[in-house]
Amino acid sequence: AQRVTQPEKLLSVFKGAPVELKCNYSYSGSPELFWYVQYSRQRLQLLLRHISRESIKGFTADLNKGETSFHLKKPFAQEEDSAMYYCALSERTGANNLFFGTGTRLTVIP
Amino acid sequence: NAGVMQNPRHLVRRRGQEARLRCSPMKGHSHVYWYRQLPEEGLKFMVYLQKENIIDESGMPKERFSAEFPKEGPSILRIQQVVRGDSAAYFCASSPGGAGAQYFGPGTRLLVL
Repeated sequence: AQRVTQPEKLLSVFKGAPVELKCNYSYSGSPELFWYVQYSRQRLQLLLRHISRESIKGFTADLNKGETSFHLKKPFAQEEDSAMYYCALSERTGANNLFFGTGTRLTVIP
Repeated sequence: NAGVMQNPRHLVRRRGQEARLRCSPMKGHSHVYWYRQLPEEGLKFMVYLQKENIIDESGMPKERFSAEFPKEGPSILRIQQVVRGDSAAYFCASSPGGAGAQYFGPGTRLLVL
């Protein structure tokens, strides 16, 4: 069965410090992985997806199939990065629904 | 493009009443998904619809819940005879095709008294 685990419910870092939000998954096939972000009073929005291999707002995430991880990283955190971050998985075949982790609330301390 | 629209944003119902949640997908999107988020939990998939078809309802509770996406008009998630445990945030998402990224609405927060 598909499962997405975000082990940290809360994460606080100082402005300018590196940040890593952890995401591990379990899935027997070849999944597609996403990071979604929800800023205060805003809707959930796509931050990045692993197949695009791009950097958005300074964030990157690499799919590590050996460790079944898709950690989100940024070298220098900014105050505006404070938000709720959700890792999500989609099967590449069959239904297109997303399986979400429970989320990590990131707080960047000025 | 106005994005995915959901209404109402907040809905209060008493136990036993019916709740109707509406979702208008982004322009050009014909695939709609409904998710539920209980307090302190992640979003959980409920149902996936295309116009006039339910593609996957594996996440829907067996009773009291139904969904539709008619040829004209928004997608509707209907909860009959609501109970306190139905209190949650219900999110709708849409996509242009059957794979890839989904775009989310602002959610409807249902409170059952």
